[in-house]
Amino acid sequence: GENVEQHPSTLSVQEGDSAVIKCTYSDSASNYFPWYKQELGKGPQLIIDIRSNVGEKKDQRIAVTLNKTAKHFSLHITETQPEDSAVYFCAARLYQKLVFGTGTRLLVSP
Amino acid sequence: DVKVTQSSRYLVKRTGEKVFLECVQDMDHENMFWYRQDPGLGLRLIYFSYDVKMKEKGDIPEGYSVSREKKERFSLILESASTNQTSMYLCASSSPSRDRGAGANVLTFGAGSRLTVL
Repeated sequence: GENVEQHPSTLSVQEGDSAVIKCTYSDSASNYFPWYKQELGKGPQLIIDIRSNVGEKKDQRIAVTLNKTAKHFSLHITETQPEDSAVYFCAARLYQKLVFGTGTRLLVSP
Repeated sequence: DVKVTQSSRYLVKRTGEKVFLECVQDMDHENMFWYRQDPGLGLRLIYFSYDVKMKEKGDIPEGYSVSREKKERFSLILESASTNQTSMYLCASSSPSRDRGAGANVLTFGAGSRLTVL
């Protein structure tokens, strides 16, 4: 089955800095890679996703990149704000199942 | 606003008790999922269902069962709760997203049910 590794487990940045979270997956048949954000007391919510036939996707301050050869994908957040503080999960979809990474706690200090 | 509602936010049960976690979605989604969330382990899939009365095992089904009698309701059952089932349980639903292409189901999660087994 699929295995998704996510790093770092915690990330502290100053407001305005950039943040990068990295994930690797094991099965080259995985074809869809979403990122979810979980705020305190809430369920995870999709913030951006990318399909395997695309190398990069942007949505305002967030972007995701995918390197299929290396089986890496990353989340980039620019100009971080305190409201970006949350737990972020990457995931990879293999056939009918979505396999999640272990999560990254991002703390943005004012 | 689309919604996945988990009936209990916090539960405390004793070892050996039977526990029901209820989940209802109002989006007419075909697919429903139960995950458990533990620190350092991320979200792990327990069971999922693609249709009424249909169920499939996820990655960690041992000690759990599910029921889907109606499209909008998906229940997680712990037949005999144990302390190692103390966790946050997340229900989610999805349907195929035309915008994102085949297979790119977007999950909508509930707020979670935190279960403590003493």
